[in-house]
Amino acid sequence: DIQMTQSPSSLSASVGDRVTITCWASQSIASYLNWYQKHPGKAPKLLIYSSSFLQSGVPSRFSGSGSGTGFTLTISSLQPEDFATYYCQQSYSPPLSFGGGTMVEIK
Amino acid sequence: QVQLVESGGGVVQPGRSLRLSCAASGFTLGSMHWVRQAPGKGLEWVASISYGNTDYYGDSVKGRFTISRDNSRSTLYLQMNTLRNDDTAVYYCARDSSSEGLAYYGLDVWGQGTTVTVSS
Repeated sequence: DIQMTQSPSSLSASVGDRVTITCWASQSIASYLNWYQKHPGKAPKLLIYSSSFLQSGVPSRFSGSGSGTGFTLTISSLQPEDFATYYCQQSYSPPLSFGGGTMVEIK
Repeated sequence: QVQLVESGGGVVQPGRSLRLSCAASGFTLGSMHWVRQAPGKGLEWVASISYGNTDYYGDSVKGRFTISRDNSRSTLYLQMNTLRNDDTAVYYCARDSSSEGLAYYGLDVWGQGTTVTVSS
């Protein structure tokens, strides 16, 4: 099974900051990596698919990159609605594992 | 309107069974998934069913849970048997945006979730 590891597990940032979250796979998953945003009590929302493709309707301040085993999600200028928990998920092979999550909190 | 609505959650004793339903509207069922989130924990993938009806399961539910679908009712199911305390979670159904593979392009439509509490 493929293990997904995110870092950091949490971070504090201010509105307007540039934020980068990292996700590592235990083996190569090519570009089969998706990113989700989750607010408490709400359903997850797809942000990025196939490592770097922006899901329709998602603001362009979100971007993703990486391939193989290392991936990043970047928020170029943090907005108030971006304070949430972010998860990566590999879709290379089942079980379709998620990373442990990165909570982005207000500084 | 593309929508998923889960139902069937509740409080159940350990060892008992429960069946979750997920009614889809606005699209035809393709590959579908169940994902859960235990209290204070992260997202955990539970099960998937492909467009061709191949099913896949996470290690923690394999042999106890069964995913199925009724295309005539546009409904996805999750039969959960031999429930344990650590199955307590909010369960989400989600649509696979891919027509090939599993989640190649992510899970793009999610339900609001249904809560399952396993407790004596």
